[in-house]
Amino acid sequence: ILNVEQSPQSLHVQEGDSTNFTCSFPSSNFYALHWYRWETAKSPEALFVMTLNGDEKKKGRISATLNTKEGYSYLYIKGSQPEDSATYLCAFNAGNNRKLIWGLGTSLAVNP
Amino acid sequence: KAGVTQTPRYLIKTRGQQVTLSCSPISGHRSVSWYQQTPGQGLQFLFEYFSETQRNKGNFPGRFSGRQFSNSRSEMNVSTLELGDSALYLCASSLGDSTLLANEKLFFGSGTQLSVL
Repeated sequence: ILNVEQSPQSLHVQEGDSTNFTCSFPSSNFYALHWYRWETAKSPEALFVMTLNGDEKKKGRISATLNTKEGYSYLYIKGSQPEDSATYLCAFNAGNNRKLIWGLGTSLAVNP
Repeated sequence: KAGVTQTPRYLIKTRGQQVTLSCSPISGHRSVSWYQQTPGQGLQFLFEYFSETQRNKGNFPGRFSGRQFSNSRSEMNVSTLELGDSALYLCASSLGDSTLLANEKLFFGSGTQLSVL
């Protein structure tokens, strides 16, 4: 059974703190690793799609790294702001299809 | 460009009934996929449609079905509703025409919250 695990489950930080969370996935049959941000009462929004071992992606203050050999990805947020408060989901693709396998997410709360 | 539109936003049904949910993708997107989220579970893949054909299917019983129309709009149907079908149903669209489907970002709607009593 393919499983994607995210840690921590939830995180509370102060405005200005930098933070990071982990997504662990099976290291075999890797096709892609997706990161999405899901704010309350909104739609999940794509952050990154990563496909190559060692890949690093950046979007503003948010960045992500990928290690397909050991099966993990890190998401970093530099200088957290209250608007970063959301659930961050990762999803793993074990085939060239749309059957994404999702983690339960990391819920981030940034206190002003 | 308008985003992905899902209707209705909320739905209350009783056990044994059937329900149809609708999803209008972003203009130009030909792939629509559906996901179910229940409390304590990650998003679960239901199925994906591309050019009116089901391209992939998840591990859900046959009570869950879908279809896609020529304008790429998609509907999802659940027959003989059970209490466990209470969930948020999300649809996502993408261009869908890449040879590397796994690489495509998904654009999600706001979902339909289904409650089965």
